Formats: sequence, C-alpha cells, structure tokens
Amino acid sequence: EAGVAQSPRYKIIEKRQSVAFWCNPISGHATLYWYQQILGQGPKLLIQFQNNGVVDDSQLPKDRFSAERLKGVDSTLKIQPAKLEDSAVYLCASSSSLDTIYEQYFGPGTRLTVT
Amino acid sequence: LAKTTQPISMDSYEGQEVNITCSHNNIATNDYITWYQQFPSQGPRFIIQGYKTKVTNEVASLFIPADRKSSTLSLPRVSLSDTAVYYCLVEGYSTLTFGKGTMLLVSP
Repeated sequence: EAGVAQSPRYKIIEKRQSVAFWCNPISGHATLYWYQQILGQGPKLLIQFQNNGVVDDSQLPKDRFSAERLKGVDSTLKIQPAKLEDSAVYLCASSSSLDTIYEQYFGPGTRLTVT
Repeated sequence: LAKTTQPISMDSYEGQEVNITCSHNNIATNDYITWYQQFPSQGPRFIIQGYKTKVTNEVASLFIPADRKSSTLSLPRVSLSDTAVYYCLVEGYSTLTFGKGTMLLVSP
C-alpha cells in the first residue's frame, strides 16, 4: 500500500513570497489533515478535510494560508505572503472513516525555510 | 481545546520497560487518546489508541484510569531503535491536540 505522498520535500523562500505544498493521501482515505510542526514542538492542526469539505480550520491563519481539496483526493496548502515565523515542517496525513481506530497516516513532510 | 502535558525527556537502557505519562485534565467525554512515535525527518507513526482502561497491541500498552485525565504509554523491553519523540494526542469531535512530545533516549 502506497503511503501519503508530499512534495516538495524542501523549500527555501524569502519572506513575502508565496509557496504551495501538495499532498496525495492514501487511496480511499476520506479524511485529510494539514499540520504545521515548528522545531521542537508537536504538530499543530491547520485544517482537516472530510472528502472535499472542511471539518476544522480554526487554527488556520486565513489571512495568509489557504488549502483546498477540490476533488476529495489530493490537496494543496498555500502560504501567501510568507513570514519568517512560517518556517516549519508541513505535514500531511490521511485516515479512513471506515476504520474502527482513528489512525492517521503521515507523509514525510515538507520543510519550509523562510529567509 | 484539550491541552496535554508530557515530560520533555526520558532516559532508559536497552531491555528496560519505559512508561511515559500524559496529562489531559480537560478531556471530553467523546475524546480518544492516541500515541504516536516520530523519528527525525519523518512524519509521526501511530503506536496505540484507547478510550478507557487498558489496551495492548504487539508493540505497546496504554493504561487509562477511570477519570481519563491521564494516560500512560508502556513500552516493554526497549531497544536502541526506540529512541524517538513520543506524542500524546487527544482527539474527538471538536478537538485534535498533540502534546509537545517526550524525547526518549535509549542507551546500550
């Protein structure tokens, strides 16, 4: 079974530039999550999708972050404009609504450095 | 949001049992407790999940007291490859909060 795919793995941009991350979840997983993980901290949920609908985006800085999952499969997370404090690893995860255990499968993450 | 508190770090030796406790005082009735393991430059990996009492799988046990305000992950006979960060996660209908993680260092 293929895991969660993310690209790019690394990205370096200057502040005020824009950046986009892509995630392809495990086939058949209805739920998709985007997390921000700052060095030394636990992952912070940014947005959760159920198919192509948003379940929770309460911690998404909507003035600069946006995310979409148009066809209920893959997803993109965008930051525009980026700030220095956005430097972090952005993790994508997916889970199946059919499972009795709420297990999230994480991708390898995208490490963003804003200079 | 449910807040979780874990020790920042723990040390152990190969072959010992390790217990990591997480505090989650304001856990809601419908929330589950899940533990994840994370190695450097990788995403977290699921270890175990529970709601109450005790859950055991092939790699760990999870103990949850009746008041559910804390939980303890038990790793039997750790090896060097168990050196990682362990996260406690409280998740439910309206919350999904990772703790800051516990860095477990296993020495020979």
